[in-house]
Amino acid sequence: NAGVTQTPKFRVLKTGQSMTLLCAQDMNHEYMYWYRQDPGMGLRLIHYSVGEGTTAKGEVPDGYNVSRLKKQNFLLGLESAAPSQTSVYFCASSSTPGGNYVDTEAFFGQGTRLTVV
Amino acid sequence: QQQVKQSPQSLIVQKGGIPIINCAYENTAFDYFPWYQQFPGKGPALLIAIRPDVSEKKEGRFTISFNKSAKQFSLHIMDSQPGDSATYFCAASPFSLSDMRFGAGTRLTVKP
Repeated sequence: NAGVTQTPKFRVLKTGQSMTLLCAQDMNHEYMYWYRQDPGMGLRLIHYSVGEGTTAKGEVPDGYNVSRLKKQNFLLGLESAAPSQTSVYFCASSSTPGGNYVDTEAFFGQGTRLTVV
Repeated sequence: QQQVKQSPQSLIVQKGGIPIINCAYENTAFDYFPWYQQFPGKGPALLIAIRPDVSEKKEGRFTISFNKSAKQFSLHIMDSQPGDSATYFCAASPFSLSDMRFGAGTRLTVKP
């Protein structure tokens, strides 16, 4: 059981280039999330999805777009990369939206280290 | 601004010691307080979580203490081991995980 798988694991981009990060989960989770992790900042939510075909903005959405065409996949796109987007990106998924549900856990992938030069 | 403040940034203890990591929050709507453990090159993984209706929760060597009136919670690791060396993140969430806010993280080193 792979859980949450992110592709690629490492990438170096030049300023202005575009790329797509792929997240795939095999746990049949409805909810998926994209975070970025920066030193001294913890994890910050970029975008999330509450089901196939839906997306919503998180805390730091500017410069990113997402799509959820299939339930198991959540794509994060950078249309024109900037050095400020140098970060480690994590995808996560959960079976519930949180709150009072007993099973409230977000499962994370291994991360994608992106450097924009 | 950081909605969840975590301290210290780094912590070094000897094997068998009891490291304590503290977090404070402002938003009284938060009602779910997880701790995540992250090893180098890996994603965070849920370690233990607490809801505000209890003041303490233990799972093995890990204990969360929760003080609702002070809006603070902490992680204690009993009999710490070198294998516990990792970065620990506290977090707080209201009804929805999409509104979960993370602390900045604490890098724990347990020396043999």
